[in-house]
Amino acid sequence: KNQVEQSPQSLIILEGKNCTLQCNYTVSPFSNLRWYKQDTGRGPVSLTIMTFSENTKSNGRYTATLDADTKQSSLHITASQLSDSASYICVVSGQGYSTLTFGKGTMLLVSP
Amino acid sequence: GAVVSQHPSRVICKSGTSVKIECRSLDFQATTMFWYRQFPKKSLMLMATSNEGSKATYEQGVEKDKFLINHASLTLSTLTVTSAHPEDSSFYICSAREMEGTSPLHFGNGTRLTVT
Repeated sequence: KNQVEQSPQSLIILEGKNCTLQCNYTVSPFSNLRWYKQDTGRGPVSLTIMTFSENTKSNGRYTATLDADTKQSSLHITASQLSDSASYICVVSGQGYSTLTFGKGTMLLVSP
Repeated sequence: GAVVSQHPSRVICKSGTSVKIECRSLDFQATTMFWYRQFPKKSLMLMATSNEGSKATYEQGVEKDKFLINHASLTLSTLTVTSAHPEDSSFYICSAREMEGTSPLHFGNGTRLTVT
C-alpha cells in the first residue's frame, strides 16, 4: 500500500530560526515528490519538486532533499518568517497520471 | 502562472438542499481535474477524478449519487453535493494539472461548506 508519513505533526518555532520537516514514503514505483504549502483556508501551493535523480533543490528559503534509496525527503526552512506559518504537505507521485499519495502534513507555527 | 479558480469560497446551506461548486482552469486546458475533501487539521482526501467528456472516477467509499461531478468542458468541472447533511460540512478543494509528468497540481482556494 502506498503511504506517505510526515513528521512532526506540528511544530512551533521562533521567528528567524530554522526548521526541518520530514517525509517518508513507500510509494512504488516512484515518479516524483512535491512539497506544497497550504495557508489556512486556502488551496496548497507547490514549493518544490524532486525527481528520482535529484538530491537537493532550493526555492528561496526553502530547501528540499531527497534520498530515493531510503525513500525519505526533507524540507528545510531557513530564517523563518511569520508568513511561513502554514501546513506543509508532502505529495508523492507514482507512475500514472493520477497516482498521488498525500501526507497528512506538518502544521508549522512561527511565533514572534 | 496557471491558476485554478474555485467558486464559491464559502457557502452555507440548509440540510436537504443541494450545493454546486465550480472549478475552473483559467489559462490552461485540463482534461482531468481532481476533487478533494479536507477535514480540520487533516490531510487532503481525494474524492474523485473528473474526466472531461466522460464519467468521473470515484475513490472507494465516496458516494457517486451524493457527490455529482460534471466535467463538461476543458476548463470547467463542477461538484454538486446533493441532499446535503451536516456531516457533509467540510472544506472542498479542486485541482488540475496542465499536462502529465512533473507539472505541478494547481489548486483552487477551496470551498468551505457548512450545512445547517
